[in-house]
Amino acid sequence: QKEVEQNSGPLSVPEGAIASLNCTYSDRGSQSFFWYRQYSGKSPELIMFIYSNGDKEDGRFTAQLNKASQYVSLLIRDSQPSDSATYLCAAEMNRDDKIIFGKGTRLHILP
Amino acid sequence: EPEVTQTPSHQVTQMGQEVILRCVPISNHLYFYWYRQILGQKVEFLVSFYNNEISEKSEIFDDQFSVERPDGSNFTLKIRSTKLEDSAMYFCASSEQGGGETQYFGPGTRLLVL
Repeated sequence: QKEVEQNSGPLSVPEGAIASLNCTYSDRGSQSFFWYRQYSGKSPELIMFIYSNGDKEDGRFTAQLNKASQYVSLLIRDSQPSDSATYLCAAEMNRDDKIIFGKGTRLHILP
Repeated sequence: EPEVTQTPSHQVTQMGQEVILRCVPISNHLYFYWYRQILGQKVEFLVSFYNNEISEKSEIFDDQFSVERPDGSNFTLKIRSTKLEDSAMYFCASSEQGGGETQYFGPGTRLLVL
């Protein structure tokens, strides 16, 4: 069974601090990884995607991928209350069309 | 900015009834998907569709489910005889390419089966 694992949280982070979200995946053949943000009752909204080992930065967000460890992370710098949401890690499985989602980590930014 | 749209936003139906959920993918996208999310659970893949046929489906997508692209813009999910356990948010997504390309999600249809 191909899986994406995340700590469900909640993860509480003070406003202005760095939030660190982590994810592991089971399929060593996965090539593409995604972070989506989901507010309660809303649809997943793409934050970042990453295909290559290393870091990828976009504004306050940095995605990190380590294929050897099968590990993906998302850092959010200068956390804002509006960042409070559930963050979904997702991985494409072995060049399939589908992506597999983790259960998500609830992030709570404390004002 | 182009976006995926879905109708209706909410649907309430009686068990055993047929429902059709509608989606308009982003116009230049070629790959279309349906996912569902039962309340409090993870987003689950149902089916992917390309070139007017199903390219992949999950074990959830049984004979009660079907998809169709009836015209050049709409993409539909039909549930023939709804069960209580079909109550969920149903998300349509689309991507320019398949094979792990970024998928963009619509706002979802909340289906409640009574």
